[in-house]
Amino acid sequence: NAGVTQTPKFRVLKTGQSMTLLCAQDMNHEYMYWYRQDPGMGLRLIHYSVGEGTTAKGEVPDGYNVSRLKKQNFLLGLESAAPSQTSVYFCASSSWTGGTTYEQYFGPGTRLTVT
Amino acid sequence: AQKVTQAQTEISVVEKEDVTLDCVYETRDTTYYLFWYKQPPSGELVFLIRRNSFDEQNEISGRYSWNFQKSTSSFNFTITASQVVDSAVYFCALSEGMTNDYKLSFGAGTTVTVRA
Repeated sequence: NAGVTQTPKFRVLKTGQSMTLLCAQDMNHEYMYWYRQDPGMGLRLIHYSVGEGTTAKGEVPDGYNVSRLKKQNFLLGLESAAPSQTSVYFCASSSWTGGTTYEQYFGPGTRLTVT
Repeated sequence: AQKVTQAQTEISVVEKEDVTLDCVYETRDTTYYLFWYKQPPSGELVFLIRRNSFDEQNEISGRYSWNFQKSTSSFNFTITASQVVDSAVYFCALSEGMTNDYKLSFGAGTTVTVRA
C-alpha cells in the first residue's frame, strides 16, 4: 500500500497562474481533506470530502476549489495563485466505522511557492 | 475561536530529560476525539495516539505517555528520557465526530529540540 500520495512535491508559480494538486489514497477511505501549513499556525483545513462526488468548505477555502470525482482521488485547484498561498499543502484521508473516527493518514506534502 | 491551544511554542531539553507538552481543547460536544501527531524535520506527519472522550484512562507506550483529563479539558503528552530523535514539532488535534464530519482542528504546535 502506498497510503496517501501527493503530486507534485514542489512547485513554483507566478502570481496569477493556476495549478492543480493531486491527492490519491489506496486505503478505500471515505473522507479526504486538504490542509495548508504555515509557520506558527499549525494546519488549517481548506476543503474536505465525505465521499465520492461530495465536497465541503473548511476553515480557509477562499482562492481554492476541489473535486472528488473518484473515491481515491481528491484534487485541489488554485485558479489564480497569490503570494498568500505560498505554503505547504497536506492531503489526508480517514475512515470511520459505526460512528467511530480513526486517525487521519497524511500525504508527504506539497511545497508551493508563489512569486 | 481556537479549539486547541498549545501554549508552549518551543521547548529545549538535554537528552534524557523528560518533557511534557500541554494541550488544552474546547468543545461543546460530548463525543469527540483527541490526537497527537509528530512532524520530524523531514516534514511528514506521523500519527502518535488517538483518544475518545469516553476513555479517560491514561496511556503509556514505551517512552511516551498521555494524560487525558476531561475536567480540565487537557490532553498532555510526556516524553520520558528524551532522545535526539524526538526533536520534532508536535501537534495536538481535536475531532468533534460525525456532527462535524470528523474534521481535525489543530493546535499551533510545539517545537521540541533535544540536545545531545
